[in-house]
Amino acid sequence: TQLLEQSPQFLSIQEGENLTVYCNSSSVFSSLQWYRQEPGEGPVLLVTVVTGGEVKKLKRLTFQFGDARKDSSLHITAAQPGDTGLYLCAGEFDSGYALNFGKGTSLLVTP
Amino acid sequence: EAGVAQSPRYKIIEKRQSVAFWCNPISGHATLYWYQQILGQGPKLLIQFQNNGVVDDSQLPKDRFSAERLKGVDSTLKIQPAKLEDSAVYLCASSSARPGLGSPLHFGNGTRLTVT
Repeated sequence: TQLLEQSPQFLSIQEGENLTVYCNSSSVFSSLQWYRQEPGEGPVLLVTVVTGGEVKKLKRLTFQFGDARKDSSLHITAAQPGDTGLYLCAGEFDSGYALNFGKGTSLLVTP
Repeated sequence: EAGVAQSPRYKIIEKRQSVAFWCNPISGHATLYWYQQILGQGPKLLIQFQNNGVVDDSQLPKDRFSAERLKGVDSTLKIQPAKLEDSAVYLCASSSARPGLGSPLHFGNGTRLTVT
């Protein structure tokens, strides 16, 4: 099983602040996905990135895939309380194998 | 489209007892996964089915865990006998495509198991 490292593990910020969370591995991803999970629910897909250097935006969320396809970042601009949740990155390393998940970044945004 | 359905939502059992979880994936999704999520951690894959065949069960503790997907639709995951360390949320997910294509996983809300 390939390991995905996520940082930070916990993040508590106030509404309106910006933040970045990171996901990296020593192996090359064939594709990488970001999910958000709220308490009592299953993870929900935010974005999929497949091309090195790719940048995708989803409203106030910006996702970046590293050139070497070994790392990714999620940047949130002007965080809101509704952004609170567990952010999980999940990578595919070899075609045909299921997603491996990181441990996640638990984000709390207070008003 | 209806989502992934799981039951029960919660289960409390004593150690050494048995328990079963049920999952109904999104209609037409050929790939089905069971993940275990321990509090404070990310989901860990237990088993992956493609239709009714097992693709990957390398992380399934086969001395106590079993899973089946009859007719390539619904799936059940069983634990017998349960241990304290099996306390976790068991998530079922389905996908319309095989892994490796960047296709999204659709998760159910999970079954929270507490072993006392």
